[in-house]
Amino acid sequence: DAKTTQPPSMDCAEGRAANLPCNHSTISGNEYVYWYRQIHSQGPQYIIHGLKNNETNEMASLIITEDRKSSTLILPHATLRDTAVYYCIVRVQDSNYQLIWGAGTKLIIKP
Amino acid sequence: DADVTQTPRNRITKTGKRIMLECSQTKGHDRMYWYRQDPGLGLRLIYYSFDVKDINKGEISDGYSVSRQAQAKFSLSLESAIPNQTALYFCATSDLLGQGVGEQFFGPGTRLTVL
Repeated sequence: DAKTTQPPSMDCAEGRAANLPCNHSTISGNEYVYWYRQIHSQGPQYIIHGLKNNETNEMASLIITEDRKSSTLILPHATLRDTAVYYCIVRVQDSNYQLIWGAGTKLIIKP
Repeated sequence: DADVTQTPRNRITKTGKRIMLECSQTKGHDRMYWYRQDPGLGLRLIYYSFDVKDINKGEISDGYSVSRQAQAKFSLSLESAIPNQTALYFCATSDLLGQGVGEQFFGPGTRLTVL
């Protein structure tokens, strides 16, 4: 199963872009990269996912390197409400469709 | 109203007691999941169900059982609770989306304390 590596914590100034990195060097060709976030012990919230191409939605952008061994989640204009733990997840290759969760990155947005 | 609800939201119980956590969803999804989360860690999958007749063990199913009473309801039971089952429990739902797993929608969580 592909594993992900994320920094345990990051800071970002309010109004600036927050760039959260994720390494997934053992990802397989048909595995997707998912990002979720969890605000203070609430239920996790889906942000975005992608396979090969960069993706953008109303919440964030996902940049996946050409070799797919790493990705970056970008929150373009971070607000205090974006303070949360962000999880980068790679879907396992078998048919169980399980999501394997790591410890994530604690992102703190500072005023 | 919330799409995924969990009851109770908080529960304190004693070692050896039987506990049931309930999850209901109004999203019409076939797939439902139970996770637990320990402090500072990510979620770990306990059980999941792809439809009413389908139940599958996850990463940490020992000490737990589940029941899928209907498409909208998925219950988690601890037959004889022990202190190391103290955790935050989340229910989630998803629908199949193309070749990838559809996004999962989570309930608010149940904080369980076993004394």
